[in-house]
Amino acid sequence: EIVLTQSPGTLSLSPGERATLSCRASQSVTSSYLAWYQQKPGQAPRLLIYDASSRATGIPDRFSGSGSGTDFTLTISRLEPEDFAVYYCQQYGRSPFTFGQGTKMEIK
Amino acid sequence: EVQLVESGGGLVQPGGSLRLSCAASGFTFSNYNMHWVRQAPGKGLEWVSYISSSSTTISYADSVKGRFTISRDNAKNSLYLQMNSLRDEDTAVYYCARGIGYWGQGTLVTVSS
Repeated sequence: EIVLTQSPGTLSLSPGERATLSCRASQSVTSSYLAWYQQKPGQAPRLLIYDASSRATGIPDRFSGSGSGTDFTLTISRLEPEDFAVYYCQQYGRSPFTFGQGTKMEIK
Repeated sequence: EVQLVESGGGLVQPGGSLRLSCAASGFTFSNYNMHWVRQAPGKGLEWVSYISSSSTTISYADSVKGRFTISRDNAKNSLYLQMNSLRDEDTAVYYCARGIGYWGQGTLVTVSS
């Protein structure tokens, strides 16, 4: 099983700042099949990034993904008020299709 | 528009059974792999089970293997999760998902005496 470890657990930033979220895998992720999701309270997760660096339909370009192998990063270039939420990474290259434990982004 | 609507959740006693359904619309259901993912109250996301488009490949998380069974009916555009021998720790919102891109709104399963 591929274990995904996200850091930090909580990120306290202000609107307009840059956010960098990390997702580290215990083994290499097959074909960079790594996704990032945003989840707000009471809502289903929303896909932001797939294949490590491709933005999903309708996702603003302030969201970007990078990385390969075992180290992946989600960057939000300038935080908007609606970006404060919980973010998860998931690998979908090999079953079990594991998630990271999440990074909570809160307003400083 | 892609729509996934889960149903079948509710309150069940430990050791009991429940069958979740996911009704799909707005796309050709038979062309897509599907997943069940759950989220315990206040916790993170946990992948539960996967089924390929033609049901030829199925996999489960270790935490549910031997107790849960995923299935689909492509003629009815529906995905199912049969949950047996339920435990307190199975309490969660259960989401069905099309691949990684589309998720339903979830159905709450509460296992409690």
